[in-house]
Amino acid sequence: NAGVMQNPRHLVRRRGQEARLRCSPMKGHSHVYWYRQLPEEGLKFMVYLQKENIIDESGMPKERFSAEFPKEGPSILRIQQVVRGDSAAYFCASSPLLVIGNKNTEAFFGQGTRLTVV
Amino acid sequence: DQQVKQNSPSLSVQEGRISILNCDYTNSMFDYFLWYKKYPAEGPTFLISISSIKDKNEDGRFTVFLNKSAKHLSLHIVPSQPGDSAVYFCAASGGGSGNTPLVFGKGTRLSVIA
Repeated sequence: NAGVMQNPRHLVRRRGQEARLRCSPMKGHSHVYWYRQLPEEGLKFMVYLQKENIIDESGMPKERFSAEFPKEGPSILRIQQVVRGDSAAYFCASSPLLVIGNKNTEAFFGQGTRLTVV
Repeated sequence: DQQVKQNSPSLSVQEGRISILNCDYTNSMFDYFLWYKKYPAEGPTFLISISSIKDKNEDGRFTVFLNKSAKHLSLHIVPSQPGDSAVYFCAASGGGSGNTPLVFGKGTRLSVIA
């Protein structure tokens, strides 16, 4: 059972370009979360998706950032017109459906995509 | 407004001694707490969790304590080993139905010295 797969591991973009980060959740997981880690900072929640639905995008900037989790294929975090401040490590996590008797469950993280904007 | 706070950015401990990592939270709706461990250039890995109905959960060398009245939890590692050197993130969730996103602290870098 492969873990959460993120690609690319490293991504370099020039200012103004678009960045696309991909995340394939663990098999059987239908919940995906994106987090961003700036240097010397903790993990900041960006967006929570289920298949074809955005559940909570309260942590995602209103402009330039979008996320999707289509019925088929990986979840995509898309950053348009990147700026230097977007340079960070972006982590995707996934979790399974609710487990009966246990409302919450741990999320499993991918290895992250390190975005560098030059 | 940080809902989960780890006030110690770093901690150094001698091998074999106890490591105590602390975490405070402000949101009384949180009902599930987790610790994640992170090595450089890797994603966080789940370590141990505790539900708000408990005050202690133990797994081998790792024990998490929860003090709900103080909104405080701690992770104890005993005995500490050099391989425990990593950044430890405290996380919390809850307050709604369904899976709720985890809210993370800034992390504490633990260095275990041989």
